[in-house]
Amino acid sequence: DAMVIQNPRYQVTQFGKPVTLSCSQTLNHNVMYWYQQKSSQAPKLLFHYYDKDFNNEADTPDNFQSRRPNTSFCFLDIRSPGLGDAAMYLCATSKGQHTDTQYFGPGTRLTVL
Amino acid sequence: GQNIDQPTEMTATEGAIVQINCTYQTSGFNGLFWYQQHAGEAPTFLSYNVLDGLEEKGRFSSFLSRSKGYSYLLLKELQMKDSASYLCAVTDSNYQLIWGAGTKLIIKP
Repeated sequence: DAMVIQNPRYQVTQFGKPVTLSCSQTLNHNVMYWYQQKSSQAPKLLFHYYDKDFNNEADTPDNFQSRRPNTSFCFLDIRSPGLGDAAMYLCATSKGQHTDTQYFGPGTRLTVL
Repeated sequence: GQNIDQPTEMTATEGAIVQINCTYQTSGFNGLFWYQQHAGEAPTFLSYNVLDGLEEKGRFSSFLSRSKGYSYLLLKELQMKDSASYLCAVTDSNYQLIWGAGTKLIIKP
């Protein structure tokens, strides 16, 4: 089945220790998104790629970086995690931009000790 | 500013019907999505409305009134597995997807 996969599902890191979250998709979608979602809050878009074009949200901290080496894979790098970065990180894809439906992976829950 | 309003929490009984409302104030409108999110899991797509009216899909229906900035999600024949959060999201004139915080639906036997 075509899908969006995120690894790991649960990640524990230490304050200030860099961490990388990964996302892969078999949908062959052009757009990949990274969201941060905290408990009982709306998902917050961090950035997205349309093919290789990177689009950063204005309020995304510099601490968050992303890489998309090919169509299938996208990575979220948190350079120096703080306690406030503990959240669920959701990867989503869509065929195109604009009004296309976004399909989500299962998420990675990040804990910062 | 852009805003999506949904009730924080609702409770309903198994087998009953529940309507979850969503009102939005956005810069333009290019469609409205409803997603279901079980606790600790990712959102899954339920419905998309871009024209006024009711879209029915099995036990779930979604309604849109663009002139009122209003949508609702109607869930019929509620099952325990419907206990989840339901998120409303609107695509604005810049094709940005604006998310609501979600409505937590609790189903009681």
